[in-house]
Amino acid sequence: GNSVTQMEGPVTLSEEAFLTINCTYTATGYPSLFWYVQYPGEGLQLLLKATKADDKGSNKGFEATYRKETTSFHLEKGSVQVSDSAVYFCALSALSGGYNKLIFGAGTRLAVHP
Amino acid sequence: GAGVSQSPSNKVTEKGKDVELRCDPISGHTALYWYRQSLGQGLEFLIYFQGNSAPDKSGLPSDRFSAERTGGSVSTLTIQRTQQEDSAVYLCASSLLREGRSNEQFFGPGTRLTVL
Repeated sequence: GNSVTQMEGPVTLSEEAFLTINCTYTATGYPSLFWYVQYPGEGLQLLLKATKADDKGSNKGFEATYRKETTSFHLEKGSVQVSDSAVYFCALSALSGGYNKLIFGAGTRLAVHP
Repeated sequence: GAGVSQSPSNKVTEKGKDVELRCDPISGHTALYWYRQSLGQGLEFLIYFQGNSAPDKSGLPSDRFSAERTGGSVSTLTIQRTQQEDSAVYLCASSLLREGRSNEQFFGPGTRLTVL
């Protein structure tokens, strides 16, 4: 079946540090891959996505590349800010029966300190 | 336009009582999803509605859970005889469905349910 595994948190970094949150997946077919972010007290927001192998999704300085050979979609940012503190969810979406449902990883909490 | 809205934002209930959670999707979105976010379980899919098609209920954890979508718009998730393990944040999402494409889901703020 389809599943997503992401690194456990919390991840604690100083401002301007480099961020990597690992995400690997198991899926049949050709899923789309997503990173969602949940800021404190807010709902889930789409951060970035990639729909096919070798695509790179990017937004707000975050990047992730769809690697089919390693079944990975690691999230990176070169210089984090305090405002990036949130919970990050990796997810896959596989079309089945004409629609998609998201399969989420467990989430990784990021705390950035000044 | 407005995003996905959910009500109530918080609900505290006693074990054994029934609760109803409401979701208003983005206008024009044909697909609607319910998810549950609970400690130790992450985010899990509950149910999916698309137009007039039969819903996919494969994620509902027990027969105490049911959902309906009236008029292809508003949806209500009902939990009967609530248990403490039902305590979680219930999230609703909607999307446009374009055949053969993976479609972005837009999430509401969630309803935090606490069963005492």
